[in-house]
Amino acid sequence: GESVGLHLPTLSVQEGDNSIINCAYSNSASDYFIWYKQESGKGPQFIIDIRSNMDKRQGQRVTVLLNKTVKHLSLQIAATQPGDSAVYFCAVATGTASKLTFGTGTRLQVTL
Amino acid sequence: SAVISQKPSRDICQRGTSLTIQCQVDSQVTMMFWYRQQPGQSLTLIATANQGSEATYESGFVIDKFPISRPNLTFSTLTVSNMSPEDSSIYLCSAVVTANTEAFFGQGTRLTVV
Repeated sequence: GESVGLHLPTLSVQEGDNSIINCAYSNSASDYFIWYKQESGKGPQFIIDIRSNMDKRQGQRVTVLLNKTVKHLSLQIAATQPGDSAVYFCAVATGTASKLTFGTGTRLQVTL
Repeated sequence: SAVISQKPSRDICQRGTSLTIQCQVDSQVTMMFWYRQQPGQSLTLIATANQGSEATYESGFVIDKFPISRPNLTFSTLTVSNMSPEDSSIYLCSAVVTANTEAFFGQGTRLTVV
């Protein structure tokens, strides 16, 4: 089955710096990838997604990179702000079932 | 997008009892799902709620323990039956508007079984 892992459980960055959160997945057939942000006491909030026919996608202050060769994706947050402090999950899906397999999560701590 | 409301937001229940969690979406959606998130951990898919038919359960989850209903395109319920302390967790409802697009989540139901 699918397994998804994150390299670092906690990431601490200074306000204004860029953050990079990494995620590895195991199923080469995975074709849809999503990053979620979860704040304490809330459900996951969609940040950005990317499909397997792309290797990079940019949003507002966020960029997702996909490397299908090594089955790795990353989330880059530019100019990290205190409001970015949260747990970030990658999630992957295969085909049209829309079922998501979530990674273990990385806690991003933004220091002033 | 879709706005998802879950009720209750939290509950403390006695072991051996059952709790039904409601999930209401503000628009018609293609798919609805139920996830479990144990404290400090990631999300695990329990089942896909199918409209008008039996839910599709993931490995390790069974209908007798987690009966699910989805009577229409905007509403679903998850029941946690015969609860034990191991069922203490956050239960999250999710919806997909169009297949193979982002899933939206409710705020979760925090369940504590004592």
